[in-house]
Amino acid sequence: AQKITQTQPGMFVQEKEAVTLDCTYDTSDQSYGLFWYKQPSSGEMIFLIYQGSYDEQNATEGRYSLNFQKARKSANLVISASQLGDSAMYFCALYSSASKIIFGSGTRLSIRP
Amino acid sequence: SAVISQKPSRDICQRGTSLTIQCQVDSQVTMMFWYRQQPGQSLTLIATANQGSEATYESGFVIDKFPISRPNLTFSTLTVSNMSPEDSSIYLCSVEDAAGSSYEQYFGPGTRLTVT
Repeated sequence: AQKITQTQPGMFVQEKEAVTLDCTYDTSDQSYGLFWYKQPSSGEMIFLIYQGSYDEQNATEGRYSLNFQKARKSANLVISASQLGDSAMYFCALYSSASKIIFGSGTRLSIRP
Repeated sequence: SAVISQKPSRDICQRGTSLTIQCQVDSQVTMMFWYRQQPGQSLTLIATANQGSEATYESGFVIDKFPISRPNLTFSTLTVSNMSPEDSSIYLCSVEDAAGSSYEQYFGPGTRLTVT
């Protein structure tokens, strides 16, 4: 069975600080992928970053990096130098061998000026 | 990355009626999916839209309630039938983009449905 868990329903961070959003997962598949998406109040789902289970290096995309710890089954998102525009819901997601993605419950990030 | 559009972007519908949501992609894609996001909730996969054959539904979703069409590799529709207020949600279509060792899944802008 596939499972993805986000334990932080909400977070407040001061502008320009770094923030880590937690994500743990469980899967019996050897090959899988992990995603992070951002959902602003407009409702669109914005793809941020992807990490494959066989990727040896942590994925990075601009200010976003994914701290992938395979043995711990965690895939935390790190946002460096946070900006007011980063305020949104963030979803971690697991891609399984059945070509389906399941989503975590989300973390609402609020950036304080 | 694929560019995805959805119509309508939002609608308010009466209970008992049906609404068809369209999803258009600017390139041919193998895999298309439909998701539902109920208010304050995460996304739940409704079904995989298969080109030329019946959609594959997830547990809790049935074809009579959510009929799906996929006539070609760039287009799909989802119908929400016999609507009730519990169907009020954002409905999102997404496509898979797999190239080499990377895999990405992109979403359309969503259709915000309110049922009164």
